Amino acid sequence: DAKTTQPPSMDCAEGRAANLPCNHSTISGNEYVYWYRQIHSQGPQYIIHGLKNNETNEMASLIITEDRKSSTLILPHATLRDTAVYYCIVRQHPNTGNQFYFGTGTSLTVIP
Amino acid sequence: DVKVTQSSRYLVKRTGEKVFLECVQDMDHENMFWYRQDPGLGLRLIYFSYDVKMKEKGDIPEGYSVSREKKERFSLILESASTNQTSMYLCASSLISASPQETQYFGPGTRLLVL
Repeated sequence: DAKTTQPPSMDCAEGRAANLPCNHSTISGNEYVYWYRQIHSQGPQYIIHGLKNNETNEMASLIITEDRKSSTLILPHATLRDTAVYYCIVRQHPNTGNQFYFGTGTSLTVIP
Repeated sequence: DVKVTQSSRYLVKRTGEKVFLECVQDMDHENMFWYRQDPGLGLRLIYFSYDVKMKEKGDIPEGYSVSREKKERFSLILESASTNQTSMYLCASSLISASPQETQYFGPGTRLLVL
């Protein structure tokens, strides 16, 4: 399984960009990088996913390095409501099951 | 928008009781999943289902069973609740199977306390 490594916690000033890093050095060629977040006492919320190109949607941008060994989730203008635990997940090959392996994530605190 | 709902947000049960947790999704997804989440352990898959009446064990199926009689509904059953089953239970659903682009959508969770 490709594993991910994230810092346990980060702070970000409100209105600034939040850049959340993730290392996935053992990722294989057909594995996607997914980002979810979980606000306290709620279910995880899908944010974005990508394979090798940078991706952007209404919530965030995902930058994946050329060697695919790391990625960064960018929240362009963080708000207090973005305070949550952010999970970087590498999607297992489907033949081994359809589950997502959530690690312990990064606890992002947006500071007023 | 995909909507996944769970029957209860909070539940308190006694040891030995049979507990039913219900999950409903409204997007005609084939796949449905039950996870539990515990501090320091992340999310762990209990069971999943890729079709009506089909089920597969996840990483920690012991002490649990599931039922999928209709496509939109996936039930988790604790046959005889124990205190070590106190946890947050999360249901998820997804549309595409056997594809690395599968995206799972989660319900709000049920926090179960077994006394």
